[in-house]
Amino acid sequence: NAGVTQTPKFRILKIGQSMTLQCTQDMNHNYMYWYRQDPGMGLKLIYYSVGAGITDKGEVPNGYNVSRSTTEDFPLRLELAAPSQTSVYFCASSYQGSGGDIQYFGAGTRLSVL
Amino acid sequence: GDSVTQMEGPVTLSEEAFLTINCTYTATGYPSLFWYVQYPGEGLQLLLKATKADDKGSNKGFEATYRKETTSFHLEKGSVQVSDSAVYFCALSKRTYNQGGKLIFGQGTELSVKP
Repeated sequence: NAGVTQTPKFRILKIGQSMTLQCTQDMNHNYMYWYRQDPGMGLKLIYYSVGAGITDKGEVPNGYNVSRSTTEDFPLRLELAAPSQTSVYFCASSYQGSGGDIQYFGAGTRLSVL
Repeated sequence: GDSVTQMEGPVTLSEEAFLTINCTYTATGYPSLFWYVQYPGEGLQLLLKATKADDKGSNKGFEATYRKETTSFHLEKGSVQVSDSAVYFCALSKRTYNQGGKLIFGQGTELSVKP
């Protein structure tokens, strides 16, 4: 059982380049989330989705876009990379999205923008 | 808005020492509370949770009690091991209609256990 899979694990971008961070889950979860983790900080929510075709902004959405065409996949798009987007990105999923629901995390993508 | 505050790290302990990591929260309503752990090079995984006041979550020798009167959810373990070295995150979640259970994290506390 793979759980939540993120690719790539590491990436270096130049300022102004674009890329897509991939996230796939095989648990048939309706809810999916993208977080970023900056050094010494907790995770902050970028975007989330409550089901295929439905996405919404989190706390720090600027500079990012998402789509959710299937239950399994929730890619995160960076259009014009900036140094401020240097971070570790985590994708997560949960079944019901209730307050006590457990979120399952991928291993993360470490991104550097130079 | 809702927030979570954890004690700052890093925390360095000797093996078999007692561990406490403090966590307090600010939230309206009735949040669920979580401790997640991040081992080096890995994603976060759930350590324990509590969904209502006075509930005690426990797992792998770790415990935390949901204290509504003090808005706290301190993590404790009676005897730490080197393998417990990791970053520990306290978090809260509230169900908002049609918005999922979004997690709000504290800044994380790094624990290092020496043999």
